[in-house]
Amino acid sequence: QVQLVQSAAEVKKPGSSMKVSCQASGGSFRTSFFNWVRQARGQGLEWMGGIIPLAGKADYAPAFQDRITITADESTTTVFLELSSLRSDDTAVYYCARGLLPHNLFDRWGQGTLVSVSS
Amino acid sequence: SSELTQDPAVSVALGRTVTITCQGDSLRSYLATWYLQKPGQAPVLVISGKNNRPSGIPDRFSVSRSGNTSSLTITGAQAEDEADYYCSSRDANENSLMVFGGGTTVTVL
Repeated sequence: QVQLVQSAAEVKKPGSSMKVSCQASGGSFRTSFFNWVRQARGQGLEWMGGIIPLAGKADYAPAFQDRITITADESTTTVFLELSSLRSDDTAVYYCARGLLPHNLFDRWGQGTLVSVSS
Repeated sequence: SSELTQDPAVSVALGRTVTITCQGDSLRSYLATWYLQKPGQAPVLVISGKNNRPSGIPDRFSVSRSGNTSSLTITGAQAEDEADYYCSSRDANENSLMVFGGGTTVTVL
């Protein structure tokens, strides 16, 4: 049974960067597709990007292309989301989700990490 | 990137049937997957575009597809089905990307 455990909530200043982690247990880490999805308060789900650790290359939604980095550490079976140049509208709950290929069904979700951006 | 459109809200009487739709160009090529989310919780996979449900999801949930539309039907809605429902698929223009619909709030009366 795959479990995804995310890092704790963070408070960030505008213009700074955030880094959220998602540690996976169970399943095959290297060949799984790990996605990051965020949700602002009262809003819908927004796909940010994803990575297959074996491939090493991440895919990013155009809305975040210039300030997002998703990486994976096989030694700790952890996936990371970095977002730079934070703005107040980046305040959201950030979820990691394991995607089942070929359709990238998000069958396992982390508990979510609240990142608040405020001066 | 492409878009998926959902009605913002729908209500259904307890025990009756409700259908939620998701429209978008990407659905002509890719299957939609459906998720539900209850307040304060992470989303949960409900059903795939091939009508596969994870264990624990009751069989009153079903999905169908026609043209650019995917439809999620709840047959005999229960109080616990009250939630936000989201569809998702691969992007129509760049299939390495994913998109979500805006979500539909289902209220069980």
